[in-house]
Amino acid sequence: GESVGLHLPTLSVQEGDNSIINCAYSNSASDYFIWYKQESGKGPQFIIDIRSNMDKRQGQRVTVLLNKTVKHLSLQIAATQPGDSAVYFCAANGNNNDMRFGAGTRLTVKP
Amino acid sequence: DAGVTQSPTHLIKTRGQQVTLRCSPKSGHDTVSWYQQALGQGPQFIFQYYEEEERQRGNFPDRFSGHQFPNYSSELNVNALLLGDSALYLCASSLGFSSGNTIYFGEGSWLTVV
Repeated sequence: GESVGLHLPTLSVQEGDNSIINCAYSNSASDYFIWYKQESGKGPQFIIDIRSNMDKRQGQRVTVLLNKTVKHLSLQIAATQPGDSAVYFCAANGNNNDMRFGAGTRLTVKP
Repeated sequence: DAGVTQSPTHLIKTRGQQVTLRCSPKSGHDTVSWYQQALGQGPQFIFQYYEEEERQRGNFPDRFSGHQFPNYSSELNVNALLLGDSALYLCASSLGFSSGNTIYFGEGSWLTVV
């Protein structure tokens, strides 16, 4: 079946360092991917998306990389700040027009 | 520009009861999806509504039903509540019914079943 999973459930980084959060998906037909940030008690907040016709997309302090060959994507956060502490989810579109989510990676930024 | 809004934000129900959750999509969006997020898990797709019809459905029992109104707002109904239905229920909206449209989430409705 389709699945989306993150490689590490937790990640701790020092303030100012770069963070890399990884994600793998199983459905070869997935062609649209989104990264969300979820703070405690809130709904998922859209960060950045990428379509399968691209390998890389950059936003403000964030970069998403997509490797379709190995069905892997990553989220890079530059100069991580305390406000970046949250749970990060990757999502891939499934066969039912839905988005399939991984279990999330909890990012902790140490001052 | 109003984002996705949901109500109520928190509620407590007893096993066997029924609950209705409400959602107004982001301005300009016409498609609404509902997700269930258990504690410590990622959101799980329940169903999607477009043009007032359920278009897609995830692996949820018939106790979960929904509705979309002409103004694109939506309701999620859950009958015969079980303890395991306790979760954060998220509404998401997008423009158009097709795979690959950006979906935006509301803050969710926290349901506790006791």
